[in-house]
Formats: sequence, C-alpha cells, structure tokens
Amino acid sequence: GNSVTQMEGPVTLSEEAFLTINCTYTATGYPSLFWYVQYPGEGLQLLLKATKADDKGSNKGFEATYRKETTSFHLEKGSVQVSDSAVYFCALIINFGNEKLTFGTGTRLTIIP
Amino acid sequence: SAVISQKPSRDICQRGTSLTIQCQVDSQVTMMFWYRQQPGQSLTLIATANQGSEATYESGFVIDKFPISRPNLTFSTLTVSNMSPEDSSIYLCSARQGEETQYFGPGTRLLVL
Repeated sequence: GNSVTQMEGPVTLSEEAFLTINCTYTATGYPSLFWYVQYPGEGLQLLLKATKADDKGSNKGFEATYRKETTSFHLEKGSVQVSDSAVYFCALIINFGNEKLTFGTGTRLTIIP
Repeated sequence: SAVISQKPSRDICQRGTSLTIQCQVDSQVTMMFWYRQQPGQSLTLIATANQGSEATYESGFVIDKFPISRPNLTFSTLTVSNMSPEDSSIYLCSARQGEETQYFGPGTRLLVL
C-alpha cells in the first residue's frame, strides 16, 4: 500500500532558524506529492506540490524537492518566522480520479521569538 | 483553486443528538470528501460524497452513523448521528476537480458533552 512517514514532532525553533521537516513515502506507482499547512484553529491549506521526480515546489519561502531515488519530499525554509507556527502535513496521491490522498501524521512546528 | 466554506464553524452538542454540517464549494467539482481529525491527530477519510448516488465509506465508517448527501456538484452535507463524546473532532470537507489539487474547507469543530 501507500504510506507517508513524517518527522516526529513537535519541533521548536528560534526565529530565523533553518527548518527541515523530513517526509518519506512508499507508493505503488508514481505519486504526486504535497505539503499542507494547518494554522491554529483553521483547516488545511495547500502549501506546495510537486508532480514528478526532480520537481521543486515552492511557496512563501518554503521549498521541497521530489526525490525519487530516496523517495523523499523534505520541507525546508531558510529563515522561519513566528507566523510559520503550524502543523505541517506531507501527503501523496498516486493517480487522480478515484485515488485518495494519503497523509502523514503531521509535524507541529513552533517558532519562538 | 476552489474555495470551500463550511457551516457551522463550531458547535457544542449533547450526546444522543445529531448535527448536520454543510459544505459549499465556489465551483463545480467532480469529487468531494469528508474527513475527521481527532485532537492532535492526522486526517482520516470518512467517505467520498458521490453526486446523485450513495457515498462511498471507508473502513470503520457506516452510513447510519455518518449519512452524507450530495445533491449537486457544489454542495454536500455530513450528519453525525446519535453523537457521543468520542465524536468530538474537527470535520473537514474537501474537494477536487479532476486531476487538480485537492482543497480543504476550514473545518467544523465539534464538541460532544
């Protein structure tokens, strides 16, 4: 089956620190990969995505590169802000149509001033 | 992108009662989904809401407990029936158009006393 494994949280960083949240996957085919973010008290928002190997998704200073050789999609940001405090979910989908998103467990990130 | 709204945003209910959650998408979508997110947990898919036919439920979820309607391509409802405190969760509506990205509503925060 398909699965997503995320870095265990919670993660606490100081403002302006470098962020990496690890995500690896197993999949029966060639997935599209996503990072979603859930700010406190809100629903999920798409942060970035990549649909094929070596693609880099980026948004709001966050980046993630689809690495087929290591089956990974690690999320990075060079300098985090307090406003980045949220829960981050890595997810995959094999084929659109009737396939369903598979989510990781989520990583809670707290940035302290 | 699709903009999804949900009503109510939160509710406190007594055990044994039922609550219907509404989900409205600002454009026609092929697929709509309902998820549950228990406190501090990842998302669990309850069912896929099918337009004009019965919803497709995931293992562990049944129609009698979570009846779903989808009368058209932009609207769906989820009812949580005969509630118990274990049903306290965030319920999230989600939508996808074909091979496009899947988007999420802001969630309905339910507390059952």
